[in-house]
Amino acid sequence: EDQVTQSPEALRLQEGESSSLNCSYTVSGLRGLFWYRQDPGKGPEFLFTLYSAGEEKEKERLKATLTKKESFLHITAPKPEDSATYLCAVHWGGGGYNKLIFGAGTRLAVHP
Amino acid sequence: GAVVSQHPSWVICKSGTSVKIECRSLDFQATTMFWYRQFPKQSLMLMATSNEGSKATYEQGVEKDKFLINHASLTLSTLTVTSAHPEDSSFYICSARVGGARNQPQHFGDGTRLSIL
Repeated sequence: EDQVTQSPEALRLQEGESSSLNCSYTVSGLRGLFWYRQDPGKGPEFLFTLYSAGEEKEKERLKATLTKKESFLHITAPKPEDSATYLCAVHWGGGGYNKLIFGAGTRLAVHP
Repeated sequence: GAVVSQHPSWVICKSGTSVKIECRSLDFQATTMFWYRQFPKQSLMLMATSNEGSKATYEQGVEKDKFLINHASLTLSTLTVTSAHPEDSSFYICSARVGGARNQPQHFGDGTRLSIL
């Protein structure tokens, strides 16, 4: 079964303490992997798209990387405002061609 | 760019009533929009894909007659929850994709919290 698994489920960091979030996938025929940030009571906010293994994208304190089996979202020197749930989603060329499969997310809390 | 607006943001209504939720792409045209449902501390579950000018495609287990979708223009899709009951209470989120390529990112509205009494 095609799956997207995110770890850890929750992460607590001190301000300035860098870390990484993981998104592993088992879908075949990956057409794109997306990272989103979701604040409580809001819709997901688009962060990055990665299309092929080896690709990297950066935005402020965030850097996303992709391999053939997983993606990492690296957070460098996080600030309290980075606290949110980070979702990854995979678009693949299977039967549901239009469909994104979302992971369950990582709830990040950054404390001052 | 790529702003998706969703209204209303919060609805409280009595059991048995119908509720309409609007999803608009403000600065781009969207031939395809998506409707998701999200339960507390869970991820997004796709309910249906809304295609402009044609019938929506529903995911397995989603009742077509319960969740009516209309995509009458390139900037507006609506979801109507018919004869809503407490079990329909949830957070509903729409999204739209910029451009024609199917692997382009989806951009999301801020969601509608539906509470059925």
